[in-house]
Amino acid sequence: DTAVSQTPKYLVTQMGNDKSIKCEQNLGHDTMYWYKQDSKKFLKIMFSYNNKELIINETVPNRFSPKSPDKAHLNLHINSLELGDSAVYFCASSRSGGTNYGYTFGSGTRLTVV
Amino acid sequence: GQQVMQIPQYQHVQEGEDFTTYCNSSTTLSNIQWYKQRPGGHPVFLIQLVKSGEVKKQKRLTFQFGEAKKNSSLHITATQTTDVGTYFCAGRDNYGQNFVFGPGTRLSVLP
Repeated sequence: DTAVSQTPKYLVTQMGNDKSIKCEQNLGHDTMYWYKQDSKKFLKIMFSYNNKELIINETVPNRFSPKSPDKAHLNLHINSLELGDSAVYFCASSRSGGTNYGYTFGSGTRLTVV
Repeated sequence: GQQVMQIPQYQHVQEGEDFTTYCNSSTTLSNIQWYKQRPGGHPVFLIQLVKSGEVKKQKRLTFQFGEAKKNSSLHITATQTTDVGTYFCAGRDNYGQNFVFGPGTRLSVLP
C-alpha cells in the first residue's frame, strides 16, 4: 500500500504548456505539502494545505496553483511552463502540521521542460 | 527569515569509517528532524529531536540536539554502502508553521 502516491513519475513537456501533477495520501494526515527539489538537491516548500485551507504560499509564481478536492488529495497545476520549472516535485503529508511527526514524502515527479 | 545550514556539502568515506554531518540554524529551534534521501529516491523521515541536549540512537546512527537548540548533528559509526545518500536536517522555530530544510550533506561510501 503506497502511503503518498504521485502521478506521473516523469513528465516531459514543452515551454508554454499547462500541466498537472496529482497527489494522494491514504495515511489520514491532515496536512499536505508540495516541495520543489532543484538540481542541487535543495528542498524548497511551495505550498501546504491543512483541512483544505492554504496555510503557506512561499512566494512561488502564480503560475503554480495547488488544488485540494478533499483532505486526501493535493494536486499541483502549472500554467505556461518555463525552462526554470524543470525539477523534481515532491508531495508530502503529515499529521498536525508536522509538529510531532515526520513528513511522509511521495516518490516524486521529475518534470523536464524543453 | 529562518535559515538552516549544513556542513559539509559532500563527504566521501571509505566503508567502515565514521561520518558526521552538522546542522546549524539562524534561530532557536523548537524541534529538528532528520531525513535520508537515497540516490533517485525521496526523503525518508529518520527521527525528531525536541529537547535541549537530547541524544537519540538508531543502530549505528546517533543524533544530537545542541544545548542552545540552534544546532544538531548526525553521526554514523562504521559506514556501510547502504548509508549512501543525502542527509537533510529540517528545523522549525517557534514562529514557523512548517519545517525548513537544510541543503543536505551528500554521503558517498567507497567499498
